[in-house]
Amino acid sequence: AQTVTQSQPEMSVQEAETVTLSCTYDTSESNYYLFWYKQPPSRQMILVIRQEAYKQQNATENRFSVNFQKAAKSFSLKISDSQLGDTAMYFCAFMNNAGNMLTFGGGTRLMVKP
Amino acid sequence: NAGVTQTPKFRILKIGQSMTLQCTQDMNHNYMYWYRQDPGMGLKLIYYSVGAGITDKGEVPNGYNVSRSTTEDFPLRLELAAPSQTSVYFCASSYSRDIFSAFFGQGTRLTVV
Repeated sequence: AQTVTQSQPEMSVQEAETVTLSCTYDTSESNYYLFWYKQPPSRQMILVIRQEAYKQQNATENRFSVNFQKAAKSFSLKISDSQLGDTAMYFCAFMNNAGNMLTFGGGTRLMVKP
Repeated sequence: NAGVTQTPKFRILKIGQSMTLQCTQDMNHNYMYWYRQDPGMGLKLIYYSVGAGITDKGEVPNGYNVSRSTTEDFPLRLELAAPSQTSVYFCASSYSRDIFSAFFGQGTRLTVV
């Protein structure tokens, strides 16, 4: 079974600065998919960024980028130029190669301060 | 708007009552999931389905049942509600190949008293 661990329950950052959220996972599969989801107070889960394990290049979506270290089974999220609207819970998630199991970490609560 | 729709958004149940949480998606996704999220915790998989007529247990299936008679709908049934089932429930769907990113509904906040 896969496990996903987010070791930072809470983090804070000043507006316009950069913050990195950590995520590690454990799997025996060689191909899989990794995601970061944002959950604002509205509770809806919003996909921020995704990474296919077979791709060596780190994914980037505007101010969001990842540092994917496959050998270390690490998948951190970097948020540049933090904005107040980035305040939310962030969940790291793992999907197996078959696509039938999506496993979440425990989440990191991010507070962006003005 | 295309996406995953859950109803109701809020519900209060008495212990022992039954209810069905509805979930429907209009993206023709094969895969659908039900998760629960307890306060301050991550999501845990209750049941999932890889297509119409096929369902499987996830991590925390006890106390719940599902069915998948059509591609679009994946209702979650609570037969005898217990306080431990107080949670926020999320339905999600995803493509079966190539694009493995799940779309989530807005959640249902359920309180059992």
